[in-house]
Amino acid sequence: DAKTTQPTSMDCAEGRAANLPCNHSTISGNEYVYWYRQIHSQGPQYIIHGLKNNETNEMASLIITEDRKSSTLILPHATLRDTAVYYCIVSVGNTDKLIFGTGTRLQVFP
Amino acid sequence: GAVVSQHPSRVICKSGTSVKIECRSLDFQATTMFWYRQFPKQSLMLMATSNEGSKATYEQGVEKDKFLINHASLTLSTLTVTSAHPEDSSFYICSASRDRTYYGYTFGSGTRLTVV
Repeated sequence: DAKTTQPTSMDCAEGRAANLPCNHSTISGNEYVYWYRQIHSQGPQYIIHGLKNNETNEMASLIITEDRKSSTLILPHATLRDTAVYYCIVSVGNTDKLIFGTGTRLQVFP
Repeated sequence: GAVVSQHPSRVICKSGTSVKIECRSLDFQATTMFWYRQFPKQSLMLMATSNEGSKATYEQGVEKDKFLINHASLTLSTLTVTSAHPEDSSFYICSASRDRTYYGYTFGSGTRLTVV
């Protein structure tokens, strides 16, 4: 019962910006959008999260549409080490649970 | 920061034996921790929510008598896979949140369980 939809895979050239879209059309007003990535055989790594406003940190930027039904994760200058599965997750209501969807497999090529 | 340590990283056990996996929050207290499992080429599946001082809450389809969860302190939750069988071989991952509003959730590095 994941509440997000992401493309299965994407490619990006090294040094270019990677823009990963996510649809969360059923999101509720108090639910956050979280982005994580997972490199093979490791635990998920936190990237960024947001509620309504756009957010930026040292890793990425998160652009959330005004209606909050979709968002885009931006890796400004992708490197080969950014190759991973990226998960967009919406927390479940008032619980703390995160239900993972299938994610987007990002392949950064030289 | 918010660091979650998981141990062991890899374990091999014989069929029928039990295995305990530990999840510790190193620099914060966590009243709630979460346990996931992940099969090859699949996404993470939430197994249960571990609550300090009370019983864990299991997701539908997860056998609570097989996957015993104990959250005895604010920094430690354990998952015990009892009477393990080869089909229990998987990647088990825990997570905790210092404050989901500001820090999000932190995940452990995972435990690769192989039952032979």
